[in-house]
Amino acid sequence: EIVLTQSPGTLSLSPGERATLSCRASQSVSFRYLAWYQQKPGQAPKLLMYGASIRATGIPDRFSGSGSGTDFTLTISRLEPEDFAVYYCQQYGGSVFFGGGTKVEIK
Amino acid sequence: EVHLVESGGTLVQPGGSLRLSCAASGFTFSRYWMHWVRQAPGKGLEFVSRIRSDGIWTSYAESVKGRVTISRDNAKNTLYLQMNSLRAEDTAVYYCARSLGDNWNDENPLEYWGQGTLVTVSS
Repeated sequence: EIVLTQSPGTLSLSPGERATLSCRASQSVSFRYLAWYQQKPGQAPKLLMYGASIRATGIPDRFSGSGSGTDFTLTISRLEPEDFAVYYCQQYGGSVFFGGGTKVEIK
Repeated sequence: EVHLVESGGTLVQPGGSLRLSCAASGFTFSRYWMHWVRQAPGKGLEFVSRIRSDGIWTSYAESVKGRVTISRDNAKNTLYLQMNSLRAEDTAVYYCARSLGDNWNDENPLEYWGQGTLVTVSS
């Protein structure tokens, strides 16, 4: 079983600031099968990134992803008011696991 | 437009059974892997189960293995989750979700999600 550890648990930032979210896997993630999702209260998750660095359809370019192996990062270059939400990483492919989430809250 | 609509969630007693359904529309259902993902109140996302496009290959999270069965009816564009021997820790919103691509192997993240159906296990 692969464990995905997301940090920090909560990120308190102001609109316009840069957000850096981390996802660390207990084993290497094959073929960079790592995705990021955004979830707002009362809503279903929304796919943001996959293949570690590929933006899903309609996702603005202030979102970017990087990493390989066991260490992955989601960066939001300048936070917009609608970006305050919970973010989850996910390993997909051979096995499917989610990280515990990072909440990005307004400071 | 892709639509996934879950139903069947309700209050059930510990040890009870329940079948969830997910009605799909707006795409060729028979070509895609489908997943169930759950979220306990105030908690994170947890993979539950997935099924290949043809309905033959399935996989389950360890937490539900032996108690849950995923299936699909491609003629009815519907995904199912049969849940037995339910426990309090199964209380969650259950989402159905569709894979991004229609690969034969499940090599895709989840692009489309339903709004979820709430299962509450309590006496």
